[in-house]
Amino acid sequence: EAGVAQSPRYKIIEKRQSVAFWCNPISGHATLYWYQQILGQGPKLLIQFQNNGVVDDSQLPKDRFSAERLKGVDSTLKIQPAKLEDSAVYLCASSMLAGGTDTQYFGPGTRLTVL
Amino acid sequence: AQRVTQPEKLLSVFKGAPVELKCNYSYSGSPELFWYVQYSRQRLQLLLRHISRESIKGFTADLNKGETSFHLKKPFAQEEDSAMYYCALNTNAGKSTFGDGTTLTVKP
Repeated sequence: EAGVAQSPRYKIIEKRQSVAFWCNPISGHATLYWYQQILGQGPKLLIQFQNNGVVDDSQLPKDRFSAERLKGVDSTLKIQPAKLEDSAVYLCASSMLAGGTDTQYFGPGTRLTVL
Repeated sequence: AQRVTQPEKLLSVFKGAPVELKCNYSYSGSPELFWYVQYSRQRLQLLLRHISRESIKGFTADLNKGETSFHLKKPFAQEEDSAMYYCALNTNAGKSTFGDGTTLTVKP
């Protein structure tokens, strides 16, 4: 089966610019996650969708980050404006079951560098 | 709030030696615990989950609720086990928390 797809794989921007990431989960997976992984740390959950509704966005910096999941399938994560501390790998994952207790399947990630 | 701690950032063992990667958690409910692995230039993937009680690639992990631990063990490490290992906890509501990972190096 096709895995989780993400684009772009790499992005370099200057601070105060905007950036958007795209994720296509595994077909039929109900739950979609966005994580931020800063170098040397584990993935930190930013937002979790169940179908097209938000389950958890408690760690999403809502003053600059936004995310949506279109028709319960693809998702985009946007940063506007970016700060230096946003430099990280942004991981998308999906899981089959609703409720989010299932195994997660990860995409390759987008490495963001903010200069 | 839940928390996952992996006390060792780096772990190095010789091929054929036993290996144990430690994971401690704090959570007031009944957790679902996972070990994920990331090999060089590959994406993060599931290694095993406690509910399955399986042995994957010779690795096992036992949930110890008394000690709130979920350590990953393998009796005889292989060079291909060299990777980054993450312990993760899912709450009853499905929220995921990852540890900061342990880099395992298996020397020949």
